[in-house]
Amino acid sequence: DAMVIQNPRYQVTQFGKPVTLSCSQTLNHNVMYWYQQKSSQAPKLLFHYYDKDFNNEADTPDNFQSRRPNTSFCFLDIRSPGLGDAAMYLCATSPPGTGVQPQHFGDGTRLSIL
Amino acid sequence: SQQGEEDPQALSIQEGENATMNCSYKTSINNLQWYRQNSGRGLVHLILIRSNEREKHSGRLRVTLDTSKKSSSLLITASRAADTASYFCATGDSGYSTLTFGKGTMLLVSP
Repeated sequence: DAMVIQNPRYQVTQFGKPVTLSCSQTLNHNVMYWYQQKSSQAPKLLFHYYDKDFNNEADTPDNFQSRRPNTSFCFLDIRSPGLGDAAMYLCATSPPGTGVQPQHFGDGTRLSIL
Repeated sequence: SQQGEEDPQALSIQEGENATMNCSYKTSINNLQWYRQNSGRGLVHLILIRSNEREKHSGRLRVTLDTSKKSSSLLITASRAADTASYFCATGDSGYSTLTFGKGTMLLVSP
């Protein structure tokens, strides 16, 4: 089945130690998104790619970076994680189309900071 | 902000009952979408309703959209314990490829 896969499902890192989360998709969608979701809150968009075009949300901290080496893969790098970065990180994809198309989500990576 | 606001924040019902969740938003939209999120999992797209549509059905789901009131509702009929999840509305602007999610309604369906 075509899907969005996030690895790992759970990640523990130390305060200030860089961490990378990964996302892959077999849907061949050209739009990919990264969201941060804290407990009992709405998913908050960090950035998205339209093909190779990177779009950063205005309030996304500089501590968060992303790479998309090809259509299938996208990475979220947190350069110096703080305690406030503990959250679920969700990757999603969507096809192009008029207006916003339905998004397909992975099951997320839950990040804990020690 | 385009963010939708769902109410109620939490809803607890018995199996077989209907569940209604409401969403309000602030500016004009191209479409409005509803998603479900089971605990510890990603979001799953349920239904999309375009700004020129007033009602849409999918199985036990019924969505309405009132653009004059900037509001939408999601009705789940004959609920099941497996419907227990958080439900989010999300709005999309025309010409953009991003969604803005509301805070969600947590639905608990008891057997």
